[in-house]
Amino acid sequence: DGGITQSPKYLFRKEGQNVTLSCEQNLNHDAMYWYRQDPGQGLRLIYYSQIVNDFQKGDIAEGYSVSREKKESFPLTVTSAQKNPTAFYLCASSPFREDTQYFGPGTRLTVL
Amino acid sequence: EDQVTQSPEALRLQEGESSSLNCSYTVSGLRGLFWYRQDPGKGPEFLFTLYSAGEEKEKERLKATLTKKESFLHITAPKPEDSATYLCAVRPGGGADGLTFGKGTHLIIQP
Repeated sequence: DGGITQSPKYLFRKEGQNVTLSCEQNLNHDAMYWYRQDPGQGLRLIYYSQIVNDFQKGDIAEGYSVSREKKESFPLTVTSAQKNPTAFYLCASSPFREDTQYFGPGTRLTVL
Repeated sequence: EDQVTQSPEALRLQEGESSSLNCSYTVSGLRGLFWYRQDPGKGPEFLFTLYSAGEEKEKERLKATLTKKESFLHITAPKPEDSATYLCAVRPGGGADGLTFGKGTHLIIQP
C-alpha cells in the first residue's frame, strides 16, 4: 500500500537533547513538507523540499534542521535550540507540479 | 500577509441537521484552496482542492464551494461519523510552497 509513514508515534525528550523524527513515503512524490500543530493554532510550515539534496526554510525553521538524501525520506531534527518543542509534528508530500499535499499520521513530541 | 479565518470555531448539530462551515481568506494570488478532515490524534485527511471562483466539488455528504473571498463546506444530513475538525488551507501564488492553514472548525454530530 502506498502512503506516508511517520515514526515514532509518540516521542519523549529531555530538555537539552536533540531528537530526529522520521518521515518516509512510497508514493514517488517529489515534494515533502514538515508542519507543526499546536492546540488552538493552525498548522505552521517548518521546512520543505522540492527535490533531493535541496530544502527551504518555512515560517518557523529556527531550532529545526532537515536533510533530503533520498527522494522517499525527509527526516526532521528538533534541536536543543528549539525553545518550545512540545507539539504534534506532521509530514506531508505532493506529486510533481501538483498543489495538493497529503499528510502522514503525525508524531507527538513531548519535552519532559 | 496571507491569512485564513474559519468560523465557527465549534459547531454542534443533531444527526440529519444540515449546515455550512466558512473559510475566509486573504492571499496574494490564490493557487489553490484545500479542505481537510482531521480526527483526534491523526494527520489531516484530504477532502477537496478548489482553484477558481465558482468551482464546486462534492463527496458523499460534503460539498465545497469557492468565491473570491471565501469558501464554504456544506454538510448535508450529517451522521455521527462526520464528527471531526475540518481544516481549510490556501496556497499562495508566487514562490511560496507551503500551505497557510486556518485554526479549524470542530464539528460534533449528535445522534
